[in-house]
Amino acid sequence: KQEVTQIPAALSVPEGENLVLNCSFTDSAIYNLQWFRQDPGKGLTSLLLIQSSQREQTSGRLNASLDKSSGRSTLYIAASQPGDSATYLCAVKTGANSKLTFGKGITLSVRP
Amino acid sequence: ETGVTQTPRHLVMGMTNKKSLKCEQHLGHNAMYWYKQSAKKPLELMFVYSLEERVENNSVPSRFSPECPNSSHLFLHLHTLQPEDSALYLCASSRVLAGVFNEQFFGPGTRLTVL
Repeated sequence: KQEVTQIPAALSVPEGENLVLNCSFTDSAIYNLQWFRQDPGKGLTSLLLIQSSQREQTSGRLNASLDKSSGRSTLYIAASQPGDSATYLCAVKTGANSKLTFGKGITLSVRP
Repeated sequence: ETGVTQTPRHLVMGMTNKKSLKCEQHLGHNAMYWYKQSAKKPLELMFVYSLEERVENNSVPSRFSPECPNSSHLFLHLHTLQPEDSALYLCASSRVLAGVFNEQFFGPGTRLTVL
């Protein structure tokens, strides 16, 4: 059974800092991995999706990497801003027709 | 705007009430999902519909009853809920092609409180 872990549960950084959010998963045979952002009381917004054959994806100040052999993914946020404050969730899909397995998320606070 | 809308956004109900949550997608997708998000827990998949047929039911209590009348609409009918059912209920949709469930797009959720 796939399990996804995100540690720490919360993180507070000053504005402008580069930061890394971690995600680990127990079954390395994944189909793809996705990072989402969730603002308080809101739905999920997809940030980046990495297919199993890819090593990383980039979108603006965000870069997500995938290391299947070690069961890890990282989300790198460059030059963080207060508007980046949100909960970031990692989700793994084990097969093409399988469900997404989510981590509990990391709540990020960027202080002005 | 993600193209997936949910109503109501907030709902407070007693344990004896009957209510329904509605989800509508405007993305031309053919699969829809209900998730439950409780505090301090990962998102839990409740139901999946593909081409209006239920393809997954993750041991959800019968007090939750889904309905998918067409590919654009999904309902979650609620009756005799318990306080522990209070949570954010999220709807998502995706395209299914040749058995492959593609990227999911989420609605804003309905915050449900059961008194």
